[in-house]
Amino acid sequence: GAGVSQSPRYKVAKRGQDVALRCDPISGHVSLFWYQQALGQGPEFLTYFQNEAQLDKSGLPSDRFFAERPEGSVSTLKIQRTQQEDSAVYLCASSLQGTNTEAFFGQGTRLTVV
Amino acid sequence: QQPVQSPQAVILREGEDAVINCSSSKALYSVHWYRQKHGEAPVFLMILLKGGEQKGHEKISASFNEKKQQSSLYLTASQLSYSGTYFCGTEGVNRDDKIIFGKGTRLHILP
Repeated sequence: GAGVSQSPRYKVAKRGQDVALRCDPISGHVSLFWYQQALGQGPEFLTYFQNEAQLDKSGLPSDRFFAERPEGSVSTLKIQRTQQEDSAVYLCASSLQGTNTEAFFGQGTRLTVV
Repeated sequence: QQPVQSPQAVILREGEDAVINCSSSKALYSVHWYRQKHGEAPVFLMILLKGGEQKGHEKISASFNEKKQQSSLYLTASQLSYSGTYFCGTEGVNRDDKIIFGKGTRLHILP
């Protein structure tokens, strides 16, 4: 595709449910980033992949959050036992290589935990 | 270590100029500027790198003062399409490929 694609666009989960958010980066982009954006705030770093290697996961809020990119392309962010505080927009971005090049963001997945 | 942006919000009339500032408490390798419209993805504007290199769109102007750990984004002759929230993101000199974004500056352009 022409840009970064995220699915689903919207997700409503009952507290305690597990969710999986998908990111399809631009083909050929080595780097992939996940961010969490609360209403009216800037994107907050969650984790970073270079190809299939997860090089930094320091931003993941708890061990309920898990991300993977097994073949170095599509990535999935999984949240187990969702809590209300997990409600946010989850943004995925990809770049050709690291942070020296333009990052392209997807439109995000808006997660609402009820 | 989140960068601080100022002002928090700006209202301009079409054709007026604006400056958005970004300040960090740590030594920086790079500053990144993005614009986000409501409900949309952030869109890249510019990267400013330590040493003076800049990458970005021709119509965008910005500066990076490495010593002061500050960056400014200059919007001249503003157009209605410039409305949105502007975020600066910073990467420290340790080059950890982690961009930390500020809280944003909301810009509204009136016709």
